[in-house]
Amino acid sequence: GENVEQHPSTLSVQEGDSAVIKCTYSDSASNYFPWYKQELGKRPQLIIDIRSNVGEKKDQRIAVTLNKTAKHFSLHITETQPEDSAVYFCALSGYSTLTFGKGTMLLVSP
Amino acid sequence: DGGITQSPKYLFRKEGQNVTLSCEQNLNHDAMYWYRQDPGQGLRLIYYSQIVNDFQKGDIAEGYSVSREKKESFPLTVTSAQKNPTAFYLCASSVRTGANTGELFFGEGSRLTVL
Repeated sequence: GENVEQHPSTLSVQEGDSAVIKCTYSDSASNYFPWYKQELGKRPQLIIDIRSNVGEKKDQRIAVTLNKTAKHFSLHITETQPEDSAVYFCALSGYSTLTFGKGTMLLVSP
Repeated sequence: DGGITQSPKYLFRKEGQNVTLSCEQNLNHDAMYWYRQDPGQGLRLIYYSQIVNDFQKGDIAEGYSVSREKKESFPLTVTSAQKNPTAFYLCASSVRTGANTGELFFGEGSRLTVL
């Protein structure tokens, strides 16, 4: 199946700093790239997604960039807040369903 | 209130026993999925179903079985053949699968512990 590498596995930042999480993939056919946030003890929820015909998408403090040539996409969170602390998963579409990265634990310290 | 309901939330099992995890959705979605979540391993696909009476194996199907007799329901059975069943299990649904897959909606999860 499709393979996606996610880095870093953990990320600690101070409140107000920016955070960037990157995912690389190998399957050129993938055309849908969502990001999910999972707070402790909660279900994963979609926070932003991008399709292959777009290079960047923003939603308030969150943005996703996609480089199809280099086969990587990144999540950018600006002005981080303690409530951003969670595990973030990237994913990409495949033949049948989504393949998820292993996740990044983001800790935002006040 | 629309969504996905998983039960039970916590389940304990003795070695050698089969257990069934329930997943029900009222979103009228065609596609349903079962993922397993282990620390540091992300979400790994066990089984998925694109339509009633049809399902396919995911990446880690060994030791698991499913059925899809109704659109709303996609139960997962963890059999005694699963060597390491202790994990957090997530059910999800989406309008469609494949290259046009959109948002996955997840249940609250079921935590299975083998004693």
